[in-house]
Amino acid sequence: AQKVTQAQTEISVVEKEDVTLDCVYETRDTTYYLFWYKQPPSGELVFLIRRNSFDEQNEISGRYSWNFQKSTSSFNFTITASQVVDSAVYFCALSGTATSYDKVIFGPGTSLSVIP
Amino acid sequence: ETGVTQSPTHLIKTRGQQVTLRCSSQSGHNTVSWYQQALGQGPQFIFQYYREEENGRGNFPPRFSGLQFPNYSSELNVNALELDDSALYLCASSLFRESSYEQYFGPGTRLTVT
Repeated sequence: AQKVTQAQTEISVVEKEDVTLDCVYETRDTTYYLFWYKQPPSGELVFLIRRNSFDEQNEISGRYSWNFQKSTSSFNFTITASQVVDSAVYFCALSGTATSYDKVIFGPGTSLSVIP
Repeated sequence: ETGVTQSPTHLIKTRGQQVTLRCSSQSGHNTVSWYQQALGQGPQFIFQYYREEENGRGNFPPRFSGLQFPNYSSELNVNALELDDSALYLCASSLFRESSYEQYFGPGTRLTVT
């Protein structure tokens, strides 16, 4: 069975602090994809990143960085120098096969509040 | 701003009725997926269409059906509406490439079943 766990339900940080959102996944597939999405209060989901299970290199995009560790089945997301606009619900997701990329299973989400 | 649009924005239906939701794809994208998101929860995958064929389905009953048209726009149909169908319905269009991936979501349709 496939499962995505985001243990942090809600996080509050003060602006400019760094914050890490945790994601732990379970899958029996050897090939899979991991995703992070942002859902701001407006409700529209925004795709942030897709990571192939064979690529364990960490990735940085501006203030965002992702740490993929296959050994611990984790795919954590760090926001550096957080800003109020980062306030949103963040979802980690897993796609079980390489041929159904969009058949993703979402975690329950972590609600991030960045306080000015 | 993405090119994925959904209509209508909001909708109120009565239990037992049928509903059709529409989604236009981002230009150049050939895959559309639909998700149901209940209040306070993560999205749940309904199904995916690739070049007009359904090629993936989540745990939803047959009364949830869909279509993808030659221009890659899509419809989600739900028959015999139930109260639990009240949710935000999101569509996403995507394009798979060997070395990159694009996915854009529409703003969603908020369906209320009374």
